[in-house]
Amino acid sequence: KNQVEQSPQSLIILEGKNCTLQCNYTVSPFSNLRWYKQDTGRGPVSLTIMTFSENTKSNGRYTATLDADTKQSSLHITASQLSDSASYICVAKGGGADGLTFGKGTHLIIQP
Amino acid sequence: NAGVTQTPKFQVLKTGQSMTLQCAQDMNHEYMSWYRQDPGMGLRLIHYSVGAGITDQGEVPNGYNVSRSTTEDFPLRLLSAAPSQTSVYFCASSYGGSYNEQFFGPGTRLTVL
Repeated sequence: KNQVEQSPQSLIILEGKNCTLQCNYTVSPFSNLRWYKQDTGRGPVSLTIMTFSENTKSNGRYTATLDADTKQSSLHITASQLSDSASYICVAKGGGADGLTFGKGTHLIIQP
Repeated sequence: NAGVTQTPKFQVLKTGQSMTLQCAQDMNHEYMSWYRQDPGMGLRLIHYSVGAGITDQGEVPNGYNVSRSTTEDFPLRLLSAAPSQTSVYFCASSYGGSYNEQFFGPGTRLTVL
């Protein structure tokens, strides 16, 4: 069964601190892995997409890593800002009707 | 360039009523899809379309219909609303199928009483 597991479920950190969100996936065949940011009351917005041959990809203060051997990905946020408060969703491409398996997300709260 | 637009933003229905959720995109994307998002669950695919005139079922299609008469529009119809369809609905589009980056609309929050 295709699955994407994210941890932690929720996280609270102070503004300016760094944090790392985790994603473990089991999809077959695997094509790519995405991270989305979803602000409260809005639709998800793409942060990064990585294929199995890419180890890391950055988008500003967001850096995603991918280990296709262990089927793990992480999203590192540097120097967090209040606007980083959101849910972060990991999505693996592979299997299913449209081939996309969504994680349940990590709810991140940045406190001043 | 408005991206993906959805209307309405909020809707309350009574059990048994029908309605259509509208979705439009102006990026000339051939691939469009509908998801529902429920608390504690990942987004789940309802229906998708690879181009005008072509639609297919996703993971949770029961109780929903779709059509794709143009590249731009992909409406979702609830035939006879049930409380289990209370959810937030997102429309998404992408170029080149689901392999590429998806652009999501702002969502429609639906409550069925």
